[in-house]
Amino acid sequence: EVQLVESGGGLVQPGGSLRLSCAASGFTFSSYEMNWVRQAPGKGLEWVSYITSGSTIYYADSVKGRFTISRDNAKNSLYLQMNSLRAEDTAVYYCARGGWDAWGQGTLVTVSS
Amino acid sequence: QSVLTQPPSASGTPGQRVTISCSGSSSNIGSNYVYWYQQVPGTAPKLLMYRNNQRPSGVPDRFSGSKSGTSASLAISGLRSEDEADYYCAAWDDSLSGSWVFGGGTKLTVL
Repeated sequence: EVQLVESGGGLVQPGGSLRLSCAASGFTFSSYEMNWVRQAPGKGLEWVSYITSGSTIYYADSVKGRFTISRDNAKNSLYLQMNSLRAEDTAVYYCARGGWDAWGQGTLVTVSS
Repeated sequence: QSVLTQPPSASGTPGQRVTISCSGSSSNIGSNYVYWYQQVPGTAPKLLMYRNNQRPSGVPDRFSGSKSGTSASLAISGLRSEDEADYYCAAWDDSLSGSWVFGGGTKLTVL
């Protein structure tokens, strides 16, 4: 069974940092592109970042220069390093497999003083 | 302001057919596949349609997708109460350095 499990969310002050993880199982992780998508409270889905199986990377303009996506194929894991966090980064963050056919349950990031 | 434009709401009665539109541009829908997701509030999104009109395994054939030019549509026939959810469209956008773009979402109410 394909499974994606996010972790690392929590409460952080503006300007702070947080690292999200997404543990993948049930498929050959190294062969798949992976995405981070977020959803602010009561709002729609917003794509954040995308990494190909060959580690080509794309970012949304709203996070470029502040967030870094990475992957560790040996650990079947996807990461999102988030720096210089702002109130508007408050959201549930989902990891999703390329092709969009598998999503994690999400992890909540709250940026507030 | 989302790059892809969806109506904020749609509604229908059980058994009816409803259609949700998604409007984009030549750099996204006009040149790439469209994907549709269903999200019940409080849960993760679920893939409903990929590559414009392909249904993943397990998605009922009551759901269908289409694309024409820079617009796409999701149709739900034989509407059921469990179809009440938020629906989102998405596509890859070739402009600038490339990005995925989403619609703002459509809340479907089954009356």
